[in-house]
Amino acid sequence: EVQVVESGGGLVQPGGSLRLSCAASGFTFSSYWMSWVRQAPGRGLEWVANIKQDGSEKYYVDSVKGRFTISRDNAKNSLYLQMNSLRAEDTAVYYCARAQYLDYWGQGTLVTVSS
Amino acid sequence: QSVLTQPPSVSAAPGQKVTISCSGSSSNIGNNYVSWYQQLPGTAPKLLIYDSNKRPSGIPDRFSGSKSGTSATLGITGLQTGDEADYYCGTWDSSLSAVVFGGGTKLTVL
Repeated sequence: EVQVVESGGGLVQPGGSLRLSCAASGFTFSSYWMSWVRQAPGRGLEWVANIKQDGSEKYYVDSVKGRFTISRDNAKNSLYLQMNSLRAEDTAVYYCARAQYLDYWGQGTLVTVSS
Repeated sequence: QSVLTQPPSVSAAPGQKVTISCSGSSSNIGNNYVSWYQQLPGTAPKLLIYDSNKRPSGIPDRFSGSKSGTSATLGITGLQTGDEADYYCGTWDSSLSAVVFGGGTKLTVL
């Protein structure tokens, strides 16, 4: 059974940092692009970042460029999102999803940026 | 303001049919496949349609997708109360080098 499970969310002050993790199982992790997608409270979906199978290509939404870094460890079947210089508008549930089709999603992890 | 445009809400009676539109441009829908996602209240999104008109295993044929030019449409027939959810379209935007979503459409089954 394909599963992706996010962790690492929590409350952080503006300007702070947080690292999200996503543990994947039930498929050959190293064969798939992976994505992070977020959803602010009461709002729609917003794609955050993609990473290629070997990590050689990464794409980001403009609003997080220079602040967030997506990475992966294929040996650990894990995806990461390093979030720096966090802002109030980054408050959201962050989902890990298997690309290209975003066909499997985790349950999400809540990131709250507030003083 | 979302790159893809969806109606905020649609409604129909149980057993009826509804369509949800998704409008974009040549840099996204016009030259890339479209996916559709269903998000039931309090849950993670679920893939309904990929490659504009294909259903993943386990998705009933009551759900269908189509694409024409720079627009896509999700159709749902035989509406059930359990279909009440938010529906999102998504695709790759070649100009932005980004995945883009519509703002979402809330389906109410009256």
